[in-house]
Amino acid sequence: GESVGLHLPTLSVQEGDNSIINCAYSNSASDYFIWYKQESGKGPQFIIDIRSNMDKRQGQRVTVLLNKTVKHLSLQIAATQPGDSAVYFCAERFGNEKLTFGTGTRLTIIP
Amino acid sequence: DTAVSQTPKYLVTQMGNDKSIKCEQNLGHDTMYWYKQDSKKFLKIMFSYNNKELIINETVPNRFSPKSPDKAHLNLHINSLELGDSAVYFCASSRGRDLGYEQYFGPGTRLTVT
Repeated sequence: GESVGLHLPTLSVQEGDNSIINCAYSNSASDYFIWYKQESGKGPQFIIDIRSNMDKRQGQRVTVLLNKTVKHLSLQIAATQPGDSAVYFCAERFGNEKLTFGTGTRLTIIP
Repeated sequence: DTAVSQTPKYLVTQMGNDKSIKCEQNLGHDTMYWYKQDSKKFLKIMFSYNNKELIINETVPNRFSPKSPDKAHLNLHINSLELGDSAVYFCASSRGRDLGYEQYFGPGTRLTVT
């Protein structure tokens, strides 16, 4: 399943399927991007980051893709598990300026 | 082994009161932050301190005053609380300000103003 992040804030995916969460960022000068996961009642937790000189970075079951041309960031989660249910935020940063967070997408994994 | 801790976890108070939220990190980080998360989950930075020095001060009412007694602590004092202050407040820390330094978030303090 896919979400457009800012426009579709919820995404439901069958357990075991892959999910894609999208994010449109605002500042074309941003040079650092992060995905955070926030479970219910907890603080945001770092998942993966990417610098603007890269277009893809992989972690364990997660991949972040960066398309600077259209200012778009996506998070792919492979073989989703119930524990992946959470709100996912993208964040952008320019230099040493503050992190600016997107509005978040709620991902629900259906058993 | 809590990395970033906040107290209290829940805070219910009446309009006009003054309250404080405390934050401590045991990671040896130089930089600490306060964020506010509203009911729609929108997360926005309020303040950032680096080595006890204020480096980011967003457009926050001056009723909010952060205080950093040392590198490991960043407390948030709020005067004359208003209904609109109800939110979840997160403290975070990072090794430094430079790119690549991951921010570690605390568990949050849910403030409810009645």
